[in-house]
Amino acid sequence: GENVEQHPSTLSVQEGDSAVIKCTYSDSASNYFPWYKQELGKRPQLIIDIRSNVGEKKDQRIAVTLNKTAKHFSLHITETQPEDSAVYFCAARGLYNTDKLIFGTGTRLQVFP
Amino acid sequence: DAGVTQSPTHLIKTRGQQVTLRCSPKSGHDTVSWYQQALGQGPQFIFQYYEEEERQRGNFPDRFSGHQFPNYSSELNVNALLLGDSALYLCASSLPSGGTPDTQYFGPGTRLTVL
Repeated sequence: GENVEQHPSTLSVQEGDSAVIKCTYSDSASNYFPWYKQELGKRPQLIIDIRSNVGEKKDQRIAVTLNKTAKHFSLHITETQPEDSAVYFCAARGLYNTDKLIFGTGTRLQVFP
Repeated sequence: DAGVTQSPTHLIKTRGQQVTLRCSPKSGHDTVSWYQQALGQGPQFIFQYYEEEERQRGNFPDRFSGHQFPNYSSELNVNALLLGDSALYLCASSLPSGGTPDTQYFGPGTRLTVL
């Protein structure tokens, strides 16, 4: 069935360090992979996404990589800041599943000043 | 810019009752998806509405039903509430993908507590 695994569940880094969150998806037909940031009590907000026709996408301090062969995708945050502290969710969408998103279980990122 | 809005913000019900949650999509969007997010978990897809019809459904029982109106707003109804239905209910809107993925924008959610 459809499944997205996300690791680690918690991640603590020092301000200025890099953070990496990894996800694995099961549906080889998936063609769209968004990442959402959710602060406590707030809505999930899209921070970056990647489509299956590219291997890497970068937006300032945030980058996402996709390995379709291995069915892995990762979020990279460089020069972390305390305001990056939140729960991050990866998701995958199947080609024949219209807009249904399958979410990972989340990673709680804490950035210590 | 009119983003996705949801009402009410919070709701407390007792077991066996029925509840209706409401969502207005982002301006220009005509597709609405509903998700259930239990505490400490990722959102789980309930169903999606497009052109006033349920287009796809996740693994939720028939107690969960919905509706989309001509102005693209949507309602989520849950009957015979169970304690396990306590969660944050999120609405997301998007443009119809037609094979091309499109971004889903989430509303602030409705926190439902079932006692």
